[in-house]
Amino acid sequence: GAGVSQSPRYKVTKRGQDVALRCDPISGHVSLYWYRQALGQGPEFLTYFNYEAQQDKSGLPNDRFSAERPEGSISTLTIQRTEQRDSAMYRCASSLGRGVLGETQYFGPGTRLLVL
Amino acid sequence: RKEVEQDPGPFNVPEGATVAFNCTYSNSASQSFFWYRQDCRKEPKLLMSVYSSGNEDGRFTAQLNRASQYISLLIRDSKLSDSATYLCVVNDGNNRLAFGKGNQVVVIP
Repeated sequence: GAGVSQSPRYKVTKRGQDVALRCDPISGHVSLYWYRQALGQGPEFLTYFNYEAQQDKSGLPNDRFSAERPEGSISTLTIQRTEQRDSAMYRCASSLGRGVLGETQYFGPGTRLLVL
Repeated sequence: RKEVEQDPGPFNVPEGATVAFNCTYSNSASQSFFWYRQDCRKEPKLLMSVYSSGNEDGRFTAQLNRASQYISLLIRDSKLSDSATYLCVVNDGNNRLAFGKGNQVVVIP
């Protein structure tokens, strides 16, 4: 079956522009997570959803970052007025969301964002 | 202080040898623990969960020491295909996964 997909795979933008990154989770997965991964680092939690409800957004760095999942499936992470320090790999993950503590999260291939 | 600390290495390991590394975590309330594997330019994938009693999956053995707040991974009879970064991951009970930097393992023929 299809895994988690993300688009675009690469995004180059100029400082000050807005970008929208898309995540399509595994079909039937209730929980969806966004992470950011800098080179040489592990993924860093940003936010997560159960269905369409945003459960935790404490990892979002500032108010330029927002995420939504309006129909409980596809999610969009939006970065407004991008800055060079936003350059990183943005990864999405999904899980069944059965409420089992520590259930497996399946990661997508990521979107590599470069802000010039 | 980072929530999960790992020595990034690299760990250069002769093929067939055993390699072990560990990580420490700061949140004593953490409830579940994992090792993820990440190949170069790829997404992280679950390698194994780590249980209090320790667990083994083929050539891989994971241990958890709650008192000292560290998690270990041992790889026996290393294969070239084991070359990857091994990420120590902790769940604090709120569905947030905290990742370490990863231990980079390079298996040398």
